[in-house]
Amino acid sequence: ILNVEQSPQSLHVQEGDSTNFTCSFPSSNFYALHWYRWETAKSPEALFVMTLNGDEKKKGRISATLNTKEGYSYLYIKGSQPEDSATYLCAFVNQGGKLIFGQGTELSVKP
Amino acid sequence: SAVISQKPSRDICQRGTSLTIQCQVDSQVTMMFWYRQQPGQSLTLIATANQGSEATYESGFVIDKFPISRPNLTFSTLTVSNMSPEDSSIYLCSVENRAAGPEQYFGPGTRLTVT
Repeated sequence: ILNVEQSPQSLHVQEGDSTNFTCSFPSSNFYALHWYRWETAKSPEALFVMTLNGDEKKKGRISATLNTKEGYSYLYIKGSQPEDSATYLCAFVNQGGKLIFGQGTELSVKP
Repeated sequence: SAVISQKPSRDICQRGTSLTIQCQVDSQVTMMFWYRQQPGQSLTLIATANQGSEATYESGFVIDKFPISRPNLTFSTLTVSNMSPEDSSIYLCSVENRAAGPEQYFGPGTRLTVT
């Protein structure tokens, strides 16, 4: 059984705060790690696909790092804005190609 | 990226009935998947929709309960049969073009409530 764990489950921050979430996953049989942002009533939006140990990716104020040896990834948001409010999902992809999702971190940014 | 639409976007259904959800993609894709997210749970893969053949179901999901069709490379349906309140979930389709890369794109989801 593969477990993908995300923490925290929910997070409430003020506008302008920087924040980060954690995704932990099995360190064996790794192929890729996906990060998605999911706003209510919309499609989950792909943020990053990370495949190499030590990968760091950045998209505007959002960045992510990957450690495949110890089985974790961090997602960082710098200077949070209310429009960043969403659920952030990570998904582990094994060599078989299936996505296994964590439960998500629900972020709420107050103006 | 692919643009994916789903119908219906939401529905409220009586127990014992069935609902068919449609997924349409704006381009041909190699892989189409169906997921569900029950309240408070992770997104869970139900099955891979195979074009021209029977879907491949994950452990815990069966064809009689979740029949799937995929008549071509841009369209798929998922039926939730003989519904019970436990089937209340968000159902999402997703697509992947393996030749283009590992990205997987999702539709907006169908929010189903069974009373």
